[in-house]
Amino acid sequence: ILNVEQSPQSLHVQEGDSTNFTCSFPSSNFYALHWYRWETAKSPEALFVMTLNGDEKKKGRISATLNTKEGYSYLYIKGSQPEDSATYLCAFSTGNQFYFGTGTSLTVIP
Amino acid sequence: GAGVSQTPSNKVTEKGKYVELRCDPISGHTALYWYRQSLGQGPEFLIYFQGTGAADDSGLPNDRFFAVRPEGSVSTLKIQRTERGDSAVYLCASSQIMGNTEAFFGQGTRLTVV
Repeated sequence: ILNVEQSPQSLHVQEGDSTNFTCSFPSSNFYALHWYRWETAKSPEALFVMTLNGDEKKKGRISATLNTKEGYSYLYIKGSQPEDSATYLCAFSTGNQFYFGTGTSLTVIP
Repeated sequence: GAGVSQTPSNKVTEKGKYVELRCDPISGHTALYWYRQSLGQGPEFLIYFQGTGAADDSGLPNDRFFAVRPEGSVSTLKIQRTERGDSAVYLCASSQIMGNTEAFFGQGTRLTVV
């Protein structure tokens, strides 16, 4: 069983604050690291797929970085908005299977 | 279809009964995954299909759980003699090629065993 850890487990921020959270994964058998956003009553939606050490991806106010040598990825949200409230899941891929973290639950307070 | 479709969206069943959960993946996606999310936990891998065959079923918790994908498209997750601990959201995802392409998720089936 591969261990993928996310921290913090939950987070409350004020609207307009910037925030970040972490996904830690094994540094061996790495193929790709995925970030998903999961809003209540909806299906998880892919944010980023990262494959190369040092990768940085950006989508609007959300960005992510990847360090495969030390086994971590950061997700950043700049100027949080209430619509950013969701659970953010990371998934480590070995090339033939995904291993999910337990997610970070973000609540943005208006 | 436009996305991954799971039916039913909600299922309430009595302890000991048999249930079937259906997943209709995106057309052309050869890889199909079943996950289970219990309250307060991340998605837990159950089984992965590549085409018609189960490439990895190591996540199935016990022999009450079984999944099929006879024509390489629709998959059915079958649970026999349901227990209260089986209550969870069962998620299905599909992807074209495993690894660096994203997986697309259905909205899940919420199973409640009473």
